[in-house]
Amino acid sequence: QSALTQPASVSGSPGQSITISCTGTSSDVGSYNLVSWYQQHPGKVPELMIYDDNKRPSGVSNRFSGSKSGNTASLTISGLQAEDEADYYCCSYAGSGILVFGEGTKLSVL
Amino acid sequence: QVQLVQSGAEVAKPGASVKVFCKTSGYTFSDYTIHWVRQAPGQRLEWMGWIQPASGKPKYSQRFQGRVTFTRDTSATTAYMELRNLKSEDTAIYYCARVLDTINTSCYGRWGQGTLVTVSS
Repeated sequence: QSALTQPASVSGSPGQSITISCTGTSSDVGSYNLVSWYQQHPGKVPELMIYDDNKRPSGVSNRFSGSKSGNTASLTISGLQAEDEADYYCCSYAGSGILVFGEGTKLSVL
Repeated sequence: QVQLVQSGAEVAKPGASVKVFCKTSGYTFSDYTIHWVRQAPGQRLEWMGWIQPASGKPKYSQRFQGRVTFTRDTSATTAYMELRNLKSEDTAIYYCARVLDTINTSCYGRWGQGTLVTVSS
């Protein structure tokens, strides 16, 4: 199972919106509504931000939203804040109990 | 509150084995699948597999099949991950993670703090 494809880095200014893409295949992202997104600050444990393509766990800011089209899922962060600077990973169910993570994207808030 | 507490850092030689534990509390251990995820230094998260605590049934990533074993002790509400025949590229932080809930089992609502395993001669 190959890693899902994410851009290595994205950047934005405070207050702006950014979108991180996550491209898989028809065997994973495109087949199931089970893409999740994790935020990981340096030296910290990952935190769930989006699950089931577009659902937010309780406590996660509504500035974070998820969507999907075909084999590509996206995470959008609106009203960018300095604290959003982190690494972001997508994860998808790939059938038969298998999960696959993305390559990770480093978000810089300029 | 839900907690997953992992064992401490390990240093092992190439070819050796390591066993990491994940002690859980604050919920019914048998009800939630535990996954194992690792992250090499500066690298991405990598899924290793899971264990269903109620049955002990494991699922392994093909990448680790034959080299990793997941077990659990329900009386101790603890999950274990053993990785054998260690190589230098196995140097990583190993995380246990509990699925979000009993319905949403493809994402993680709680993580252990991570266990650094260093493989070095």
